[in-house]
Amino acid sequence: GNSVTQMEGPVTLSEEAFLTINCTYTATGYPSLFWYVQYPGEGLQLLLKATKADDKGSNKGFEATYRKETTSFHLEKGSVQVSDSAVYFCALSDSGNNRLAFGKGNQVVVIP
Amino acid sequence: DTGVSQDPRHKITKRGQNVTFRCDPISEHNRLYWYRQTLGQGPEFLTYFQNEAQLEKSRLLSDRFSAERPKGSFSTLEIQRTEQGDSAMYLCASRDNRGREETQYFGPGTRLLVL
Repeated sequence: GNSVTQMEGPVTLSEEAFLTINCTYTATGYPSLFWYVQYPGEGLQLLLKATKADDKGSNKGFEATYRKETTSFHLEKGSVQVSDSAVYFCALSDSGNNRLAFGKGNQVVVIP
Repeated sequence: DTGVSQDPRHKITKRGQNVTFRCDPISEHNRLYWYRQTLGQGPEFLTYFQNEAQLEKSRLLSDRFSAERPKGSFSTLEIQRTEQGDSAMYLCASRDNRGREETQYFGPGTRLLVL
């Protein structure tokens, strides 16, 4: 079945540092890929998405490229801010019913 | 558009009691999804509706769980004879699948604690 794997453990970094969160997936067919963000006390919000191979999703300085050859969708941001502290989830969408399969999430803590 | 809303936001109950949660999707969204999220994990799919029809149920949805969307608008998720293992965040999402937009929009969730 479809599955998403995110790198283990929380990520702690200083303001203005470079952020990378790894995401790899297993899927049949051609899924769409998403990054969702969950700020403290809030619901899941879509951060960015890509619907086909080589597409790059971007939003709020975050980017991720759909790499079919490596089955990856790594999230990057060049200079993080304290306000980026949140939990980040990678997800894929089944091409039929479009239910989402999520990774376990990564807690990101940005220190001033 | 007020987004997806869920009620209640928090629920504490005793083991063996029944609970019911409500989800109001974005208006005109014909698909509605329920997910469950336990601490430290990503959300897991439970079930989804297209209009009033429940099209798929996960194996996670035991016989104690039932979901309805009677008029194709709001949905309810009921858990009967709650168990401590049911403690989780229950998330609702909606989507309009009539166009090319694939994004699911999530509500704030209902956090359930079973004592």
